Amino acid sequence: EVQLVESGGGLVQPGGALTLSCAVSGFTFSTYAMYWVRQAPGKGLEYVSAISSNGGTTYYADSVKDRLSISRDNPNNVLHLQMGSLRPEDTAVYFCARGLKLGTLDFWGQGTLVTVSS
Amino acid sequence: QSALTQPPSASGSLGQSVTLSCTGTSSDLGGYKYVSWFQQLPGKAPKLIIYDGTQRPSGVPDRFSGSKSGNTASLTVSGLRAEDEADYYCSSYAGSNVFLLFGGGTKLTVL
Repeated sequence: EVQLVESGGGLVQPGGALTLSCAVSGFTFSTYAMYWVRQAPGKGLEYVSAISSNGGTTYYADSVKDRLSISRDNPNNVLHLQMGSLRPEDTAVYFCARGLKLGTLDFWGQGTLVTVSS
Repeated sequence: QSALTQPPSASGSLGQSVTLSCTGTSSDLGGYKYVSWFQQLPGKAPKLIIYDGTQRPSGVPDRFSGSKSGNTASLTVSGLRAEDEADYYCSSYAGSNVFLLFGGGTKLTVL
């Protein structure tokens, strides 16, 4: 069974940093691209970042470029999102998702809430 | 780049059909086949119900069908059931710079 479990969310002050993790199981992690997608409270889905299966290529939405960094640990089946210079508008539930093919997210975790507030 | 455009709400009666739309541009939805639809129940993660514009993942009922014409994709839900009441989001690959766009979502109410 494919499983994705996010962790690392919490309350952080503006300008602060946080690292999210996504532990996966039930599939060969190293053969799939992975994504982070966020959803602000009461709002829609927003693409954040993506990484190729071997970690060699990364993509970012303009809204987070230069502040967030996606990475992956293939031997340990974990996806990471390092978040810095956080702003109140980064407050959201952050989902990790598996990339079936280009731009196609077929399995999602349950999400982890990041709240940026003083 | 702007999000894809979806109507904020739609409704249909039990047993009837409803079609949700998703409009983009030739740089995103109209230029690639990688259009997906997701169903999100309250408090839950999104669930993929259509990919490549028309394909259903295993386990998704054939009451859900997708189509695409030009810069607009559509999701049709036939034989509406109470459990279909949810938020529906479209997404599209948008090239290597923008990469992925979502629509704003449509809240479907089953009457």
